[in-house]
Amino acid sequence: EAGVAQSPRYKIIEKRQSVAFWCNPISGHATLYWYQQILGQGPKLLIQFQNNGVVDDSQLPKDRFSAERLKGVDSTLKIQPAKLEDSAVYLCASSSLTGANPDTQYFGPGTRLTVL
Amino acid sequence: GNSVTQMEGPVTLSEEAFLTINCTYTATGYPSLFWYVQYPGEGLQLLLKATKADDKGSNKGFEATYRKETTSFHLEKGSVQVSDSAVYFCALPGSARQLTFGSGTQLTVLP
Repeated sequence: EAGVAQSPRYKIIEKRQSVAFWCNPISGHATLYWYQQILGQGPKLLIQFQNNGVVDDSQLPKDRFSAERLKGVDSTLKIQPAKLEDSAVYLCASSSLTGANPDTQYFGPGTRLTVL
Repeated sequence: GNSVTQMEGPVTLSEEAFLTINCTYTATGYPSLFWYVQYPGEGLQLLLKATKADDKGSNKGFEATYRKETTSFHLEKGSVQVSDSAVYFCALPGSARQLTFGSGTQLTVLP
């Protein structure tokens, strides 16, 4: 079974530029999460989708961050314009609503963003 | 809301030493509890989990017991190896299964 795919793995941009990250979850997983992990900290949830609907985006800085999951499969997270403090690893995770482990999230390798 | 307090790091041990990483939590009800591990250059991987009080999760020689009385889920391993060097995160889910993570503990095992 293929895992969660993310691209790009690394991205360097200058402040005020825009950037987009892509995630493809495990096949059949209805729930998709985006987390932000700042160096030295634990991941923090940005947004959670169930199929193509938003479950929780209370921690998403909506003035600059946006995310979509139009067909309920892959997802894109965008930052526009980027700030220095957005430098972090952006992690995508997915989980299944059914089966033996509905609480278990499976993580992709992450995208490391550096804002100069 | 839910919160996790994790032992501050970093932790440096010699190979074959005993490991304990403390984790305490605050939660409504009795959610599942998780330990995730992040090896250098890799994404987060589920290490073990426990779904109810007094459950013991175990994997790769690591163990953690869900202690309702002390609201704790400490991670232990009897004999660490160099390959265990990684960052370890304690986590618990919220009402919609979104995870709240601890700050992480960096473990370095020296040969």
